Amino acid sequence: DADVTQTPRNRITKTGKRIMLECSQTKGHDRMYWYRQDPGLGLRLIYYSFDVKDINKGEISDGYSVSRQAQAKFSLSLESAIPNQTALYFCATSAGGLESPLHFGNGTRLTVT
Amino acid sequence: RKEVEQDPGPFNVPEGATVAFNCTYSNSASQSFFWYRQDCRKEPKLLMSVYSSGNEDGRFTAQLNRASQYISLLIRDSKLSDSATYLCVVDMDSSYKLIFGSGTRLLVRP
Repeated sequence: DADVTQTPRNRITKTGKRIMLECSQTKGHDRMYWYRQDPGLGLRLIYYSFDVKDINKGEISDGYSVSRQAQAKFSLSLESAIPNQTALYFCATSAGGLESPLHFGNGTRLTVT
Repeated sequence: RKEVEQDPGPFNVPEGATVAFNCTYSNSASQSFFWYRQDCRKEPKLLMSVYSSGNEDGRFTAQLNRASQYISLLIRDSKLSDSATYLCVVDMDSSYKLIFGSGTRLLVRP
């Protein structure tokens, strides 16, 4: 089983719909991150969390919200999806501390029509 | 100015060539640096961390230049399988806000 699991893997939704992307991990890491990737723009940080009570905005948080339900779960919500939120979304975890790398889930491909 | 910048490439090199990429970062307080490899929109995979003294892993060498605020990745004896996008990651303010560069694409030809 994957250490970092994202669901769904693919999702097509319509403009204006609310959608939630979920991420769970079995690595026991405190830090969790959500990134989106668009062609040519690399990965951009949406939100990150260091524990259940610590949520931080990233580079592009507008239009998104997150919930850290437990140490192992970090979900990303689009309250009212719009077409320019069509992207590949990655969840990642880190043990924290210097030189602790990110460990990624397989990604969620979201299309907003 | 973007916080973390990379030349997008592509770098098109023959097998066996040596190729180097740089990644510049804006925050002099950054403490953690990584290189990741990404294939065809799959999840990024850690290639190597970058340590202050520089480090090597087989054909790959990473270096940090704090004075000029950049990290580098050197690939020796390029293989066809090295064709991928190489992403640098930097923590922006020692709070572990980890920011990616936009990636450098490498194409290794036979």
